[in-house]
Amino acid sequence: AQSVTQPDIHITVSEGASLELRCNYSYGATPYLFWYVQSPGQGLQLLLKYFSGDTLVQGIKGFEAEFKRSQSSFNLRKPSVHWSDAAEYFCAGMNTGFQKLVFGTGTRLLVSP
Amino acid sequence: EAGVTQSPTHLIKTRGQQATLRCSPISGHTSVYWYQQALGLGLQFLLWYDEGEERNRGNFPPRFSGRQFPNYSSELNVNALELEDSALYLCASSLGSSGGRETQYFGPGTRLLVL
Repeated sequence: AQSVTQPDIHITVSEGASLELRCNYSYGATPYLFWYVQSPGQGLQLLLKYFSGDTLVQGIKGFEAEFKRSQSSFNLRKPSVHWSDAAEYFCAGMNTGFQKLVFGTGTRLLVSP
Repeated sequence: EAGVTQSPTHLIKTRGQQATLRCSPISGHTSVYWYQQALGLGLQFLLWYDEGEERNRGNFPPRFSGRQFPNYSSELNVNALELEDSALYLCASSLGSSGGRETQYFGPGTRLLVL
């Protein structure tokens, strides 16, 4: 079955430190991959997406993600975290043609001063 | 450009009642999706509508239904409400079959509370 796994439920990072959020996928073929962010009580905002091509993708708010086929991973990174980045982050995958996003369980990011 | 809008923002119902949630997609988008975000269950795909037709359905009972109107807005109806239907319901939209449909943009959600 198709699945997306985010192994970390919570992560705490100091403001200004670097960040990496992990995401692994299990699909028969390489899916489309996405990262979304959700602030408390809000909807989901798209950070970035990977369809094909360059395995390092740039997104909004200074985020980037790297697709690694050999590790079935699509980890999200940011070189310097800001307090406003505190939120919940969701990795999602989609099989082409089916339009159904399969989400990971999310990682809650806490930013300490 | 206006994003996806949803109404109402909050809805309180009692068990057995019906709930109707509404969604307006981004201008130019013809596909609308519904997801449920329930505590402890994560984000789950409910329904996909495109050009007025239901294209795909998640693992939810038939009392979850909806429709898409000619202006591409959509309604989600939940009949015979149960306590476990309490959740944040998120609507998303994307471009249609002409291309770019893979990227879904989400609205702020409707929080449904069933008492």
